[in-house]
Amino acid sequence: EAQVTQNPRYLITVTGKKLTVTCSQNMNHEYMSWYRQDPGLGLRQIYYSMNVEVTDKGDVPEGYKVSRKEKRNFPLILESPSPNQTSLYFCASSSQGGGQPQHFGDGTRLSIL
Amino acid sequence: AQSVTQLGSHVSVSEGALVLLRCNYSSSVPPYLFWYVQYPNQGLQLLLKYTSAATLVKGINGFEAEFKKSETSFHLTKPSAHMSDAAEYFCAVSPSGGYNKLIFGAGTRLAVHP
Repeated sequence: EAQVTQNPRYLITVTGKKLTVTCSQNMNHEYMSWYRQDPGLGLRQIYYSMNVEVTDKGDVPEGYKVSRKEKRNFPLILESPSPNQTSLYFCASSSQGGGQPQHFGDGTRLSIL
Repeated sequence: AQSVTQLGSHVSVSEGALVLLRCNYSSSVPPYLFWYVQYPNQGLQLLLKYTSAATLVKGINGFEAEFKKSETSFHLTKPSAHMSDAAEYFCAVSPSGGYNKLIFGAGTRLAVHP
């Protein structure tokens, strides 16, 4: 089954404790992206990757890091989480090229205390 | 910069009534347009997409949307609402030219009551 898998689904942690949210896709997609969803703001792009070793900032990259060492994986790293990063996070992937729909994971709800 | 405006953060309809969710985009060049649906505790699922073929696009679950360039709109409709349509709906635009970035509207939460 074609899917984007995120882990963990839920995480409560404390300010400053480094965490990683993993994302894996099994569709051989070149393009992967991370979004955060906040009430009234829709989804905003954090980082994206056009292919292995090619990443770039989205609209709200501050406080986040990513890496793309393999085509299927695109982890999101919060080196020193803060309460304003409490949010619902989604990973997505798509084939390259205009108009390709993105496939989304089920989301990771992060709470930073 | 491109943007997407969804009019109405909450829409409530009766079961069997017409569903109309509004979306306007800002772009000088017709972009790619999408509607996604999000059910509780789930990710986003593609409803339909416009990629410059037919202006009336049919999607899943009986939804359709019409691209109107003169109005820069891409409103989502369904003739008869079902209880299972209750969810949050997002309109999104992707710049043309091979770039996959999605810019989302703020979302519209649809409630369907008996």
